Amino acid sequence: DGGITQSPKYLFRKEGQNVTLSCEQNLNHDAMYWYRQDPGQGLRLIYYSQIVNDFQKGDIAEGYSVSREKKESFPLTVTSAQKNPTAFYLCASKTSGGYTDTQYFGPGTRLTVL
Amino acid sequence: GNSVTQMEGPVTLSEEAFLTINCTYTATGYPSLFWYVQYPGEGLQLLLKATKADDKGSNKGFEATYRKETTSFHLEKGSVQVSDSAVYFCALSRVLNNTDKLIFGTGTRLQVFP
Repeated sequence: DGGITQSPKYLFRKEGQNVTLSCEQNLNHDAMYWYRQDPGQGLRLIYYSQIVNDFQKGDIAEGYSVSREKKESFPLTVTSAQKNPTAFYLCASKTSGGYTDTQYFGPGTRLTVL
Repeated sequence: GNSVTQMEGPVTLSEEAFLTINCTYTATGYPSLFWYVQYPGEGLQLLLKATKADDKGSNKGFEATYRKETTSFHLEKGSVQVSDSAVYFCALSRVLNNTDKLIFGTGTRLQVFP
């Protein structure tokens, strides 16, 4: 089955620690995205990548980093510089056909800072 | 700028009631419009979309029509079920800074009771 997987589903972190969230897709999509969701709010874009070895900052990139070494994978690192990292993180992907194409989402990772 | 405004929830209905969730947008040009649904603890799933004015998207009994004259994309369903209880997000997609981006509303929670 084609789809997007995110792991782990739940993640706990102590303050001052970096953590990396995994996102893998087997849809052969070129573009991948990371969003953050806070209670009662819409999704906010953290980083996106339109092609391997290239990525751009979204609206709230401070305190986060990414890499795109493989087409299938787009891991997100939440660094200790992120002041309020507790949130639900969603990864998405789409073809590079244009803005009419659909973004497909993974099941999400819930990060809690203790 | 580009933005999406949704009616605030929660929307509380009895089973078999008629549903409307309002969504209006602000954008230049001709964005694509989407409705996504999020069940508790899960990622977002595409519900329906429309890519040009007067298009009607439909899926699982839900419908929405792209109305350029009123800049709206209201979600409707003739008879809701308990299983429709979820958070619904309206979103627009367009090219910003040479990149396809999704802009989300804040979401509307629907609660359906037997």
